[in-house]
Amino acid sequence: GAVVSQHPSRVICKSGTSVKIECRSLDFQATTMFWYRQFPKQSLMLMATSNEGSKATYEQGVEKDKFLINHASLTLSTLTVTSAHPEDSSFYICSANPSWAEQYFGPGTRLTVT
Amino acid sequence: GEDVEQSLFLSVREGDSSVINCTYTDSSSTYLYWYKQEPGAGLQLLTYIFSNMDMKQDQRLTVLLNKKDKHLSLRIADTQTGDSAIYFCAESLPGYSSASKIIFGSGTRLSIRP
Repeated sequence: GAVVSQHPSRVICKSGTSVKIECRSLDFQATTMFWYRQFPKQSLMLMATSNEGSKATYEQGVEKDKFLINHASLTLSTLTVTSAHPEDSSFYICSANPSWAEQYFGPGTRLTVT
Repeated sequence: GEDVEQSLFLSVREGDSSVINCTYTDSSSTYLYWYKQEPGAGLQLLTYIFSNMDMKQDQRLTVLLNKKDKHLSLRIADTQTGDSAIYFCAESLPGYSSASKIIFGSGTRLSIRP
């Protein structure tokens, strides 16, 4: 299957700082990527749809000023968690479609805010 | 609205078949998916079915779709210890771009007993 990578895989930061997470499609181009959040023992919740060349679309209840998304190229989307707080600690996963049907997920980034 | 439901736990004996069930509410779903997540890892796309199909088989995996009842199941034949994981049912909804937004169920934790 297609490969989606994320970097970093794990990050620990202090409260009040910002953290950037990268999502890359390695062997295909993706005009659209998705960002999800997963709390322990819970399902994935879609946060936003990242669109190359235009603004991201955020799901209801997700603060766009807190979770900044930039889809810089056809293979890269970034999620920046600004002014992180302990409640932002979570597992963040991105995904992208090499074709209409198939959506592949990155390995996830575990964010811990202390 | 968009809702995908699954039972939370399933325990089967090694060598038996596992059947994981899922119901969804949105009749406009285009594709339905099964993803596997092992502890601390991202999501692995196991299989998917187009909404106008009834069944899809891929080696040990059989997906059955009852569109009238909005019911999806995943059967794993000859379940092995390596099949222990959380299995997420998901539906894709028509989008405005080349990719669709995916809504996940809560996940079913499959455990295998000797």
